[in-house]
Parts: sequence; structure tokens; C-alpha cells
Amino acid sequence: ETGVTQTPRHLVMGMTNKKSLKCEQHLGHNAMYWYKQSAKKPLELMFVYNFKEQTENNSVPSRFSPECPNSSHLFLHLHTLQPEDSALYLCASSPGTGGGQPQHFGDGTRLSIL
Amino acid sequence: QQQVKQSPQSLIVQKGGIPIINCAYENTAFDYFPWYQQFPGKGPALLIAIRPDVSEKKEGRFTISFNKSAKQFSLHIMDSQPGDSATYFCAANSGGSNYKLTFGKGTLLTVNP
Repeated sequence: ETGVTQTPRHLVMGMTNKKSLKCEQHLGHNAMYWYKQSAKKPLELMFVYNFKEQTENNSVPSRFSPECPNSSHLFLHLHTLQPEDSALYLCASSPGTGGGQPQHFGDGTRLSIL
Repeated sequence: QQQVKQSPQSLIVQKGGIPIINCAYENTAFDYFPWYQQFPGKGPALLIAIRPDVSEKKEGRFTISFNKSAKQFSLHIMDSQPGDSATYFCAANSGGSNYKLTFGKGTLLTVNP
């Protein structure tokens, strides 16, 4: 149990579908992150939220839309995805966004685009 | 400036061996260097971390060695076990504009019985 829960664990969707990924943290942290993990590549930071405010959008295509209603919940809304978007999407949280603050990861959502 | 270069890409050792994974960075502003362990089907889990004011840190069988002048740090696993088989990622960041963790590409470690 990492304290960061992601649902669903697996998702298969067509390119025209709309779906959402959910992340919930029970650690009392103020910062939350979305990462994309693809084989043989470093983890790619997508979005950062600190106290519900988006502080980072790492040039992510608009077909990915994040939402952070409070410091414990983070969503990633997906629409009109491409096959190259198939990957493991990881959520993480940390006490804040200052340097040296450990990030705690969920177990990810394995996304497959048909 | 933001890269963290990790090697080797994969590593196979026998049980009891001491696998060593190396990372090099370029950004001299980095001052926090964590290692993450990831098992198949799981997210990365923080294993151990070091700051540049010390040259070595041990936690159980895991040791980080840090060489500030060479801008390199490494993970050593003493008396490795098959249960240590996983992918290991190094990372680095600091405060201010460098707060985002920069990750290496990962090392797939296999410990044979």
C-alpha cells in the first residue's frame, strides 16, 4: 500500500473514446503529479499541481486534460488519443514541490489505444 | 543540463553478488539524488536518497556512493537476492526552478538464484 491509489489499473480504448484516469492520495500531501512511462525511456513528467493549482504543463498535447478538484484527488481526462499514447500513466504525490521532497507513486494505469 | 545518464541498461548477477548501477548528471544545481525501485505491475518506490554533503549513505543492503566533483553517484546492493530483481531508476533535482525530478532511463536488474 503506497498511499497513492490509481484507477483503473488497466484501460483499453479506441481513438475516438473519452475516458478518465483517477488518482487519490491518502498521505496529506499538497503536490500531485502525472507521469507517462514508456519502455526504455525516462519517466516523462506531464503535469504538476500544488495546492490544487497547476504549476507545470510539460508541453502535453491538449488531448490530455488534467483536473485537480482538491489536494487529494487528481484526474486525467483522455479524448481522441493516438496509438503512441499507449503507456503506463503514473500518479505521484509529495509534501510540496520544493527540491528534495520525496515523491510517492501509485501503481499506474496501463493504457492501450486501439 | 537536465539529463541524468544511467548505466548499464540491464544487469544480471548471481545471488550474493554486488550489482552496481551508475548515474551521471550535468546540472550542478542538483542537490537531491533519490533511487527508485520498480517491480513489474507496480509503481516506482523510493529506495534511498542522498544529498551532496555526504559521500556515502547506507540503508540495509543498499548503499549510495556520491562523487560531487565527478558529478556521479551509484547504487550498490550488497548480498543481492532474487527478490531484488527489479528496475532501478536514479533521479535528481533541487529547489527553485529545478524542483522537477529528472530521471535516468532505468536499469533492469536480474538476480539469479
